[in-house]
Amino acid sequence: QQQVRQSPQSLTVWEGETAILNCSYEDSTFNYFPWYQQFPGEGPALLISISSVSDKKEDGRFTIFFNKREKKLSLHITDSQPGDSATYFCAASQQGTGSKLSFGKGAKLTVSP
Amino acid sequence: AQTIHQWPVAEIKAVGSPLSLGCTIKGKSSPNLYWYWQATGGTLQQLFYSITVGQVESVVQLNLSASRPKDDQFILSTEKLLLSHSGFYLCAWSELGGVGEQYFGPGTRLTVL
Repeated sequence: QQQVRQSPQSLTVWEGETAILNCSYEDSTFNYFPWYQQFPGEGPALLISISSVSDKKEDGRFTIFFNKREKKLSLHITDSQPGDSATYFCAASQQGTGSKLSFGKGAKLTVSP
Repeated sequence: AQTIHQWPVAEIKAVGSPLSLGCTIKGKSSPNLYWYWQATGGTLQQLFYSITVGQVESVVQLNLSASRPKDDQFILSTEKLLLSHSGFYLCAWSELGGVGEQYFGPGTRLTVL
């Protein structure tokens, strides 16, 4: 059973546009949600994260919007750049346990110049 | 600053041969350590985690084993490789008792022929 779902699986935007990647989860005990960015042949890099006590987290051009009631979150990438082209993974865990992150299947973002 | 090193960078092995992959964390004492497997274009599947030397928990059974012989070292191995073992192996660490953020190494690409 996939505990973390991502949509769309792939997305293409033009340079300068806002890319929106969606994520939903099943387990109501999840309270920590990191997003990872992965380039081909590299390990994933932690991009931005949010805990369930917040409904928004911003870091530069990257913003997470979180809706606890609907168990949904989204990653917004404003002013998208070709260098943002990568696969983005949404993940979820119970904060503090540190033992298990459940990952979505990933979303491949392509930013066309 | 913490650094995570994985070796080898890539391996090409025959079905039925043994395997040993390594991971070393520098600049962090007593981290939680993790092994993940990623199929090409796929999601990240956690295989093992360890919170201390000598203790390893298995998350999924893939005919693989893991050991933590030192505080900063995590080893993944098998005596007999299967075709299905091909993929990208990633080591990660997190703070002991931390908020749950995991940091990934550069990965090892394994091809089983």
